[in-house]
Amino acid sequence: EAGVAQSPRYKIIEKRQSVAFWCNPISGHATLYWYQQILGQGPKLLIQFQNNGVVDDSQLPKDRFSAERLKGVDSTLKIQPAKLEDSAVYLCASSLSDGGYEQYFGPGTRLTVT
Amino acid sequence: GENVEQHPSTLSVQEGDSAVIKCTYSDSASNYFPWYKQELGKRPQLIIDIRSNVGEKKDQRIAVTLNKTAKHFSLHITETQPEDSAVYFCAAKGNTDKLIFGTGTRLQVFP
Repeated sequence: EAGVAQSPRYKIIEKRQSVAFWCNPISGHATLYWYQQILGQGPKLLIQFQNNGVVDDSQLPKDRFSAERLKGVDSTLKIQPAKLEDSAVYLCASSLSDGGYEQYFGPGTRLTVT
Repeated sequence: GENVEQHPSTLSVQEGDSAVIKCTYSDSASNYFPWYKQELGKRPQLIIDIRSNVGEKKDQRIAVTLNKTAKHFSLHITETQPEDSAVYFCAAKGNTDKLIFGTGTRLQVFP
């Protein structure tokens, strides 16, 4: 089966600019996750969708980050305006459903904010 | 809040030796514990997982043990090979259905 797709793979922007990431989950996977992975750390959940509804966005910095999954399939994550500390790899993952099912990760987008 | 601690942060072993990585979790309601392997510049990939109704699970050279009373779980890799070199992350899913990851262990296997 095709895996989780993400684009772009790399992005370099200056602080205060905006950026958007795209994710297409594995077909049929109802749950989609966005994680932020700072160098040397484990992934940190930013937001979790179940179909097109938000399940958890408690760690999403809502003053600058937004995400949507309008049709319950692909998703976009936006940062506006970016800060230096946003430099990280943004990983998208999907799973069949919630409740202990394996999460499959995409290749990630490496963001560098200068 | 929910927390997962992982030790050691780095681990170096000789090829053929065993490697053990340990994690502790804070949420007693946690019921799912996956382990991910992440090679440099690549995505995390699930290598083994265990649910709270099982104490041990094995898959070839990899095994995971869970002690619910002590709230800790461990990854055991036997007969290590150079291709096992990577960063390993433990994670725990608890009451909030959110996966909390550990800080990672960089494993180096020397030939």
